[in-house]
Amino acid sequence: GQQLNQSPQSMFIQEGEDVSMNCTSSSIFNTWLWYKQDPGEGPVLLIALYKAGELTSNGRLTAQFGITRKDSFLNISASIPSDVGIYFCAGPPYTGTASKLTFGTGTRLQVTL
Amino acid sequence: DAGITQSPRHKVTETGTPVTLRCHQTENHRYMYWYRQDPGHGLRLIHYSYGVKDTDKGEVSDGYSVSRSKTEDFLLTLESATSSQTSVYFCAIRPGTAGYTFGSGTRLTVV
Repeated sequence: GQQLNQSPQSMFIQEGEDVSMNCTSSSIFNTWLWYKQDPGEGPVLLIALYKAGELTSNGRLTAQFGITRKDSFLNISASIPSDVGIYFCAGPPYTGTASKLTFGTGTRLQVTL
Repeated sequence: DAGITQSPRHKVTETGTPVTLRCHQTENHRYMYWYRQDPGHGLRLIHYSYGVKDTDKGEVSDGYSVSRSKTEDFLLTLESATSSQTSVYFCAIRPGTAGYTFGSGTRLTVV
């Protein structure tokens, strides 16, 4: 099936640092979504992107829809301890139905004080 | 609160036994989904439903069946549980066009 590759798989950063992660696909996506999962909970939607090149912010989070439509990026500025969790990208492939999302493998973020 | 609950939250069962997980929503959404989450694989779609009695398979549907006799309930059944089905199971609903809302998950251990 469709694969979304996220990198890095995991990262340790210090509080206050900026974080960057990305998601790539072998095929075109027409929507990119970024989710965060806290320990013991389900993923929660952070940002949705709908157009190639789009840049969208949600507080300290900024995400971009790659111009090729095969990738997306998430940046977190000035990280804090509550940023700890797993970040997933997701989307419906261009050739697929919008009712089914494919998820990436996740980037696990850990923040040290 | 998104109005989606999963039960049970945790379950330990023996190999070969049937297991049913329940997802309940209070918001009357048409689409409901079951995913499993495993390390290194992210979230993978098991089955989904686009209405009462309307269901379809996802990418990892072998060994699982689903039923939706009411809009609010979507049941996932493992007919004969195996150790490879030890996982965390998430139910989701689709409130609009911008992605899903997930439940808190069911942690299933098959021993």
